[in-house]
Amino acid sequence: DSGVTQTPKHLITATGQRVTLRCSPRSGDLSVYWYQQSLDQGLQFLIQYYNGEERAKGNILERFSAQQFPDLHSELNLSSLELGDSALYFCASSHPAGGQETQYFGPGTRLLVL
Amino acid sequence: AQKVTQAQTEISVVEKEDVTLDCVYETRDTTYYLFWYKQPPSGELVFLIRRNSFDEQNEISGRYSWNFQKSTSSFNFTITASQVVDSAVYFCALSYPMDTGRRALTFGSGTRLQVQP
Repeated sequence: DSGVTQTPKHLITATGQRVTLRCSPRSGDLSVYWYQQSLDQGLQFLIQYYNGEERAKGNILERFSAQQFPDLHSELNLSSLELGDSALYFCASSHPAGGQETQYFGPGTRLLVL
Repeated sequence: AQKVTQAQTEISVVEKEDVTLDCVYETRDTTYYLFWYKQPPSGELVFLIRRNSFDEQNEISGRYSWNFQKSTSSFNFTITASQVVDSAVYFCALSYPMDTGRRALTFGSGTRLQVQP
């Protein structure tokens, strides 16, 4: 158990809908990252937050947005969903120890868009 | 641009065999970190090791060992006396350049290891 929690574990929805994925980082970690794992794209970085502020953006679609709240939990919002958004979405967290911190991953949310 | 290549898509071995998973990376940065993660059939990503670019010492942890060679930009992972529980997809990852302040990881495509009893 990495200490990172993600809810829900599974999500089935229809095209055009909007969903919210939630992540709670490990105790003491200030950085939260979101990654998408799909069969065709592999594991791709979406976005990073550090202590409530956006720090870096990767291959995140405009239909997707995220935020990190004062209690450091984070939410990833996916809207106008398409079939191709079906994937496993991971959240990771790390502690700012200077240098490259190790990222610990949550169990993931498996999203299926029908 | 950063890139991680795991040329072996799938490897199948029989229990107790040794197996090496290859990882080759590309980066123009002089300071970087390399990682290995394991993704068992249950789906979670489990951290195995982190290595910085200044430390080329090989590391051993139980049946696992890692060989980092900066000269060939490789960071290979060997499992000795493999077990069925080692069956998983293994990912090699590279950190973004440190001076950007970014911490995201670039992952390879993964190597699926199947250990047959």
